[in-house]
Amino acid sequence: DQQVKQNSPSLSVQEGRISILNCDYTNSMFDYFLWYKKYPAEGPTFLISISSIKDKNEDGRFTVFLNKSAKHLSLHIVPSQPGDSAVYFCAASGVSGTYKYIFGTGTRLKVLA
Amino acid sequence: SAVISQKPSRDICQRGTSLTIQCQVDSQVTMMFWYRQQPGQSLTLIATANQGSEATYESGFVIDKFPISRPNLTFSTLTVSNMSPEDSSIYLCSVAPQGYEQYFGPGTRLTVT
Repeated sequence: DQQVKQNSPSLSVQEGRISILNCDYTNSMFDYFLWYKKYPAEGPTFLISISSIKDKNEDGRFTVFLNKSAKHLSLHIVPSQPGDSAVYFCAASGVSGTYKYIFGTGTRLKVLA
Repeated sequence: SAVISQKPSRDICQRGTSLTIQCQVDSQVTMMFWYRQQPGQSLTLIATANQGSEATYESGFVIDKFPISRPNLTFSTLTVSNMSPEDSSIYLCSVAPQGYEQYFGPGTRLTVT
């Protein structure tokens, strides 16, 4: 049972436009969410996080939105740049104090120049 | 954040043998995690390795197959024992220096023939 789902395996966006990556989860106990970017042959790089007490968190070009009632979060990248081309993973944690995360299957973003 | 290195970066091993993967962090951290990413799959947590205590394994992973050492606050090893082709994966260590956000090493790409 996949508790964290990224239903779009891939996404292509023109440079300068907005990229929206989506993530759905099934467990209402999840209370902290992370987004990671992964380039080939490298480990995941932490991008941005959000706590369940918030519905939005912004860091430069990256904004994460959380809709708890829909159990949905999204990562917005504005403006998209070719260097953003990577696989993006969302991750969710809900076991208090253990910091254990369940990762989604990833979305491959390609930003076209 | 934290800077994490892993050795080896990749290896090709014969079935039935064992490989020990090293993870070195540039600062002292209490919590360290080991993940596996099988081809085309997401990241799956193998175990949590906190210094001074036995590693805690996730469902489907056992100590006999994946023994872990955590001799100090900057170092850990994961051994993949009695390998089979199904163990071919990327193995990643991560740390959580300040709680929720986890930072990953570059990974070890293992191929078992």
